[in-house]
Amino acid sequence: EAGVAQSPRYKIIEKRQSVAFWCNPISGHATLYWYQQILGQGPKLLIQFQNNGVVDDSQLPKDRFSAERLKGVDSTLKIQPAKLEDSAVYLCASSSGGPWSSYNEQFFGPGTRLTVL
Amino acid sequence: AQSVTQLGSHVSVSEGALVLLRCNYSSSVPPYLFWYVQYPNQGLQLLLKYTSAATLVKGINGFEAEFKKSETSFHLTKPSAHMSDAAEYFCAVSLNSGYSTLTFGKGTMLLVSP
Repeated sequence: EAGVAQSPRYKIIEKRQSVAFWCNPISGHATLYWYQQILGQGPKLLIQFQNNGVVDDSQLPKDRFSAERLKGVDSTLKIQPAKLEDSAVYLCASSSGGPWSSYNEQFFGPGTRLTVL
Repeated sequence: AQSVTQLGSHVSVSEGALVLLRCNYSSSVPPYLFWYVQYPNQGLQLLLKYTSAATLVKGINGFEAEFKKSETSFHLTKPSAHMSDAAEYFCAVSLNSGYSTLTFGKGTMLLVSP
């Protein structure tokens, strides 16, 4: 079974530029998550999708971050414009259960390491 | 709201020694608790989880953790460390009550010396 795929693996941009990350979850997984992991901290949830609908985006900085999951499969996370404090690893995860199945295992991709100069 | 505290950002052990990584949680309702491991430049992998069944939970790679409600703890242990255990370990909590998301601790880096 293929795991969660993410691209690119690394990205370096100047502040105020825009950037986009792509995630392909495990086949059949209805729930998809984007996390931000700043160096020295644990992952912080940015947004959670159930199929192609948003379940939780309470911690997404909506003035600069956006995410979509068209057709309930792949997802993209965009930052526009980027700030220095956005430097982090962006992790995508998926799970087979619905959003109310909080005990379900989340499977993580390798992440995209973003550096904003 | 729920939160997790991991004591010690770094833990060093010798190969063959006991591994003990500490995790305390705060939760207003019964929690689900998880330990994840992250190897360099990789995503997180689930080691084990507590979902209100047995309080002693066994996971992969010889790790186990015990849920202690009275101490609000979920410490991770392994009797004998191996060099391949060197990684960062994250404790996480979600609520055993309908919709809930994972809240992670800050992580503990395990260093294993020969």
